[in-house]
Amino acid sequence: ELKVEQNPLFLSMQEGKNYTIYCNYSTTSDRLYWYRQDPGKSLESLFVLLSNGAVKQEGRLMASLDTKARLSTLHITAAVHDLSATYFCAVATSYNTDKLIFGTGTRLQVFP
Amino acid sequence: DVKVTQSSRYLVKRTGEKVFLECVQDMDHENMFWYRQDPGLGLRLIYFSYDVKMKEKGDIPEGYSVSREKKERFSLILESASTNQTSMYLCASSLPGVDINTEAFFGQGTRLTVV
Repeated sequence: ELKVEQNPLFLSMQEGKNYTIYCNYSTTSDRLYWYRQDPGKSLESLFVLLSNGAVKQEGRLMASLDTKARLSTLHITAAVHDLSATYFCAVATSYNTDKLIFGTGTRLQVFP
Repeated sequence: DVKVTQSSRYLVKRTGEKVFLECVQDMDHENMFWYRQDPGLGLRLIYFSYDVKMKEKGDIPEGYSVSREKKERFSLILESASTNQTSMYLCASSLPGVDINTEAFFGQGTRLTVV
């Protein structure tokens, strides 16, 4: 059974600082996704990572995937208040199925 | 733009009622999902459907059933609502994994309160 763990669960950081959110998963998978959720809103897709070593960047966010370590990271560079949201990673359970399992989420608050 | 539409934003039902949550997508996606979201627990998969009339249980299917008679519509049914089913319910759809663009697109959510 696939388990997806994120840490930290809650992150309070000052504007301008860097930080990393970690996503570990328990069984082999070749697809990992990062989503953002603003309070009271639904989930918005940020990144799709499809292979070992994949790296994608959008603005101040950069996501990477290490399938051997079963680890993905979401790195935040020079945080700004607009990045305050909850971030989820999600993993497809295997290549032959599209069932998506989510992590518990990381609630990020960026303060001045 | 992909549109995933859930029939209600807010719903209040009584214990023991049969509850239907409807979800419609307009992008001809094969896959559809129902999740519930609770504080501190993230999104938990209730049921997943990969084709019309095809379904798989997720992590927490107890107390729920689903129906997918048409490709664009996926219904979640609470057979006899209980207070512990008070939650935010999210529907999503996606293309099959063999496609390049496989991310799931989400509806706006239904906040269900069972009293």
